[in-house]
Amino acid sequence: DAGVTQSPTHLIKTRGQQVTLRCSPKSGHDTVSWYQQALGQGPQFIFQYYEEEERQRGNFPDRFSGHQFPNYSSELNVNALLLGDSALYLCASSWISDLIYTEAFFGQGTRLTVV
Amino acid sequence: GEDVEQSLFLSVREGDSSVINCTYTDSSSTYLYWYKQEPGAGLQLLTYIFSNMDMKQDQRLTVLLNKKDKHLSLRIADTQTGDSAIYFCAERRGNNFNKFYFGSGTKLNVKP
Repeated sequence: DAGVTQSPTHLIKTRGQQVTLRCSPKSGHDTVSWYQQALGQGPQFIFQYYEEEERQRGNFPDRFSGHQFPNYSSELNVNALLLGDSALYLCASSWISDLIYTEAFFGQGTRLTVV
Repeated sequence: GEDVEQSLFLSVREGDSSVINCTYTDSSSTYLYWYKQEPGAGLQLLTYIFSNMDMKQDQRLTVLLNKKDKHLSLRIADTQTGDSAIYFCAERRGNNFNKFYFGSGTKLNVKP
């Protein structure tokens, strides 16, 4: 079991550009959440996808969007990048079991640097 | 507010016990978690506790929960240098769909 995998591991982009980050959930998981972790901070919830739909969203602007594919993998897209978008982006996967989640497993993250 | 609070730093000697504290915000949170993050890595789930429990023990780890004060602690017995990392407390709010709120993390430094 490969666990949660994210790609790429590191990325450098220029202000104003767009970026796409990818996540493959742990085998058997059907729900993917995305978090942004700025340097020295805890992760902050961006949004969550289940059944290819955004189910919950944190306090992030519309520049942050996502997608979930039929195989449960997910993409996070960020448009019009700002310097402040530089962070570690973490993907977490879990599964619905009797509609109650217990655990979320995190990937290693994608380190995005905006210059 | 929405902040989960943790102290920023803790330094202990190898072999001692470490206690990392956390104050969470939502009394209706059903699960509370401890994650470990090593440099350049993602988050590793250490343990979690259901809100109707006061204590959970898992090998060297002991979690204590005081619901009245919304206080969570993680005790690591016989702390090793390999335990040096950042430890995050997180609360999960709502029963349907995960939405974790994390503290800013406590950096544990274990001195040989």
